[in-house]
Amino acid sequence: GESVGLHLPTLSVQEGDNSIINCAYSNSASDYFIWYKQESGKGPQFIIDIRSNMDKRQGQRVTVLLNKTVKHLSLQIAATQPGDSAVYFCAEFSWDYKLSFGAGTTVTVRA
Amino acid sequence: KAGVTQTPRYLIKTRGQQVTLSCSPISGHRSVSWYQQTPGQGLQFLFEYFSETQRNKGNFPGRFSGRQFSNSRSEMNVSTLELGDSALYLCASSSDRNYGYTFGSGTRLTVV
Repeated sequence: GESVGLHLPTLSVQEGDNSIINCAYSNSASDYFIWYKQESGKGPQFIIDIRSNMDKRQGQRVTVLLNKTVKHLSLQIAATQPGDSAVYFCAEFSWDYKLSFGAGTTVTVRA
Repeated sequence: KAGVTQTPRYLIKTRGQQVTLSCSPISGHRSVSWYQQTPGQGLQFLFEYFSETQRNKGNFPGRFSGRQFSNSRSEMNVSTLELGDSALYLCASSSDRNYGYTFGSGTRLTVV
């Protein structure tokens, strides 16, 4: 079946640098994607979303890029801070009201 | 605006018992979904409710069930608990117009 996956399970970033987290999806019919951040002991927190009629969307310090040709999604975090240390998930929302999550990327920010 | 509230936060049960978890969505949100999170399987969809109707159910055994009340609050029940049911159970709500699901902090269930 269709799945949403992340390229790397872990990412170590120097504080102040930019982070890029990647995600590949397989369902070409997918039209809505969400990035979530999960800190230890908490539920996933909505970061940013994007629909398939867009290539790029920006939020506060975050940018999501969508490449429908290669079915690739990425999350860019500008000027990474210690508070950005968490597990990041991409999720695909399907027509049947279900979010399908990737395995997650653990981001560690080095001081 | 209050977020999604899940109770209890932690629960320890014995194999064979049953458990009921509760979720209060954000005010005005009528769509409520449940997910199971484990280290091995990640986040897995359990079911989704809208206006008291289940619109979708994930690939879980019949021991997992849920319901939604007229005030949009939702409960999920797991009967005949197994050790493998130990997980973080997450509830999420949405207004169903923008699909931006907001998650609660979850209920950590441990089956011993």
